[in-house]
Amino acid sequence: GNSVTQMEGPVTLSEEAFLTINCTYTATGYPSLFWYVQYPGEGLQLLLKATKADDKGSNKGFEATYRKETTSFHLEKGSVQVSDSAVYFCALQIQGAQKLVFGQGTRLTINP
Amino acid sequence: IAGITQAPTSQILAAGRRMTLRCTQDMRHNAMYWYRQDLGLGLRLIHYSNTAGTTGKGEVPDGYSVSRANTDDFPLTLASAVPSQTSVYFCASSVLENTEAFFGQGTRLTVV
Repeated sequence: GNSVTQMEGPVTLSEEAFLTINCTYTATGYPSLFWYVQYPGEGLQLLLKATKADDKGSNKGFEATYRKETTSFHLEKGSVQVSDSAVYFCALQIQGAQKLVFGQGTRLTINP
Repeated sequence: IAGITQAPTSQILAAGRRMTLRCTQDMRHNAMYWYRQDLGLGLRLIHYSNTAGTTGKGEVPDGYSVSRANTDDFPLTLASAVPSQTSVYFCASSVLENTEAFFGQGTRLTVV
């Protein structure tokens, strides 16, 4: 089946620290991969995506590279800010299917 | 542009009662989805609809029903609520064959 496993949270960092949130997946086909972010009290928003192997998605200083050989899509940011505090979800979508399969989410808190 | 509107934003419901969560989108997206979000489990797909007039079961459909009479509306009905249906419910939509999903703000439902 198709599944996504994320790094256990919560994660607490100081401002300007380096961030990595791990994400690995299992898929029967060739998935597109996504990171969604959920700020407090809001719905999910697309943060970045990658649709094929070796693609790098980037947005707002966040990056993730689609690694087919390790079935991973780890989220990174070089210097986090307090405003990055949120819950981050890794997700996959199999080609030809609209349904998204989500990981369990990782709560990130950035302290000033 | 409103995007996706969910109603109500929160509700406390007695067990055994019937409840319909409303979802309306104004983006003319073909596909719509209902997810539930539970701590430690991420988002799980309840039901989906690829186009008006069609629906399908997701990962956790039991106890829920949906209808898609037109492109804009995708209500989710709990015929007889149970406490295990206490959750935050998110409606989402996407353009058919596009991979980004847009989410509503969520409905927090508590069944007592």
